[in-house]
Amino acid sequence: QSGLTQVASVSASPGQSITISCTGTISDVGGYNFVTWYQQHPGTAPKLLIYNVNERPSGVSTRFSGSKSGNTASLTISGLQADDEADYYCSSYTSSYTWVFGGGTKLTVL
Amino acid sequence: EVQLVESGGDLVQPGGSLRLSCVVSGFTFRNHWMHWVRRAPGKGLVWVARINEEGRETNYADFAKGRFTISRDNAKNTVYLQMSSLGVEDTAVYYCARDGVAFGFDYWGPGTLVSVSS
Repeated sequence: QSGLTQVASVSASPGQSITISCTGTISDVGGYNFVTWYQQHPGTAPKLLIYNVNERPSGVSTRFSGSKSGNTASLTISGLQADDEADYYCSSYTSSYTWVFGGGTKLTVL
Repeated sequence: EVQLVESGGDLVQPGGSLRLSCVVSGFTFRNHWMHWVRRAPGKGLVWVARINEEGRETNYADFAKGRFTISRDNAKNTVYLQMSSLGVEDTAVYYCARDGVAFGFDYWGPGTLVSVSS
């Protein structure tokens, strides 16, 4: 059960947009649309941002959007704000009836 | 208001056992799959286990198979994680989470810390 691949860190200035990629295999990201994204601030529980590749739960800002192409999913955050500084994780259901997370991406808002 | 609250985390010696509990409120517990997820210090989130609504179907990450057991008591609105043969690598904050939308974990507890050390 290898984890999904995410870049370890990314930084950008307020107002800019960033995209975080999440690469898996045909057995997880590529084989299902059950891709989710979570945001985690230090010392707090993760928060669901995106499910079903590109759907937002009620209350999540429209600045967060998701997409997928082949075995790679992406999270885009537009109009960066200071409070967006956090760790971001992708996750996918897998063909082994398990779930797998990415290693996480630390977003720094400069 | 949906709430999940974990408990049972503690300092335990290598080879020891521990049972975590997660009490939920604010939703119909028996209608939802539940999961345990952990985060080791300085590391990322790792999925641990899942249980279906009735408690008859469970799945585990490879590292948890044979050592961890997920269970639930729908009368008590509680999901459990029984852990045995604990190693230092099991040191982590353990979160319970509700499977609410298309295998997305829409509500999480604040976590409970398990420390494995001699």
